[in-house]
This record gives sequence, C-alpha cells and structure tokens, in this order.
Amino acid sequence: DAGVIQSPRHEVTEMGQEVTLRCKPISGHNSLFWYRQTMMRGLELLIYFNNNVPIDDSGMPEDRFSAKMPNASFSTLKIQPSEPRDSAVYFCASRTYRDGSYEQYFGPGTRLTVT
Amino acid sequence: GESVGLHLPTLSVQEGDNSIINCAYSNSASDYFIWYKQESGKGPQFIIDIRSNMDKRQGQRVTVLLNKTVKHLSLQIAATQPGDSAVYFCAENDNTNAGKSTFGDGTTLTVKP
Repeated sequence: DAGVIQSPRHEVTEMGQEVTLRCKPISGHNSLFWYRQTMMRGLELLIYFNNNVPIDDSGMPEDRFSAKMPNASFSTLKIQPSEPRDSAVYFCASRTYRDGSYEQYFGPGTRLTVT
Repeated sequence: GESVGLHLPTLSVQEGDNSIINCAYSNSASDYFIWYKQESGKGPQFIIDIRSNMDKRQGQRVTVLLNKTVKHLSLQIAATQPGDSAVYFCAENDNTNAGKSTFGDGTTLTVKP
C-alpha cells in the first residue's frame, strides 16, 4: 500500500493567493483528518470526516479555510485568501479500526509557505 | 535572542539504555490514549495505544503505562536505538468524540551512540 498521499509536498505562495492541498487516504479507511503543525502551536486538528461526511470542523481557524471530501478516495483543504500566518506543515491522516485499535496513518505532509 | 514557540521537553539517552517519556493529559473524560513517533520531515507514526480500562500495555520494545488517578501516561522504550531518535507525542480521545485526538506538545528523544 502506498500509504496516505499528499500533494504538493511543498507550496510557496504569495499572500492573498488561493492554496489547495490534496489528500488521498488509504483505501478502505473510513475516517480522514486534516492537521496543521507549527512550532508555535504544535499539532492541531483542523477537521475530520467519517464516511466522507464532515464531523467536527471546530479546529478550522476561520472562514478562509474550507475542506471537502467528495468521495472516499480524495479530500482537499483550501485556503482562500492565504496569509503569512497560515505557513505551516499540513498533514492528512486516515484511520482504520483494527484489532481494537484506532490506527491513524499520517501522510508526509505539505509544507506551506505564504510570503 | 530568545526563541518563541513550544519548548519541547528533551530526553537524551545512551544507546542500549531504557527510555521513559512522560505525558500529562488534561481531560478526565478521555478514555483512549495513543503514542506517536515523529521523525524529522515525516508525519507522526502510530506506536501503541491503551484504553482507560487498562493500566499497562506492551508492544514490541515499548510499554505504555496509564495512571488515571493523576492523569499521567508514560511510554517506555527498552534498549533504545539510534533509530528511536524522534519527537514523541501522546494523544487523548474521549468517547463522546471518538474521532478527535488532542495531541500533547511532544518530547524530543535523542539517542547517543
């Protein structure tokens, strides 16, 4: 299995531009999570989906952030307009329940720099 | 000048020694706990988990201990190896929102050869 796939791996953009981050979860996993990691705030959950349905988006910073999961194999996180304080590593993770454990598998992350 | 941001606890051990990484959690309703390992440039990786009806669980070279009375979790790594060098996070979940993990700040483990 290729694991969780994220693209792009690195993104550099100017303030005000739209940014779209993409994620392909592991096949068969029914939960998908978007996290943001910074030195200031650590690892923060932004939003998660169960069976393609958003369950909790309370971690989404503001209306500039939106996430979609149109099907079980694809999700996007969009920032419009982007700001320098959005610079972070964004992780996507998918989760399965196996042998009594909820195992989350993280992607390699997208390093976003907004100048 | 001073650095800003999270000041992660650090632990430095000699190769072959045992390591103990500690975590204090905040929510007394949390009933499921997970340890993750994050190597530089990579996403966190699941190591081991434990439910609140247990106080100890063992994996391969790792043991997690849970003390609900003081809301404390620890990860013990036996015979620590250079490949264990990473940042270790604990995460807590409560049953009312089983999908939502709250992550701790992390501990940086450095293994000296």
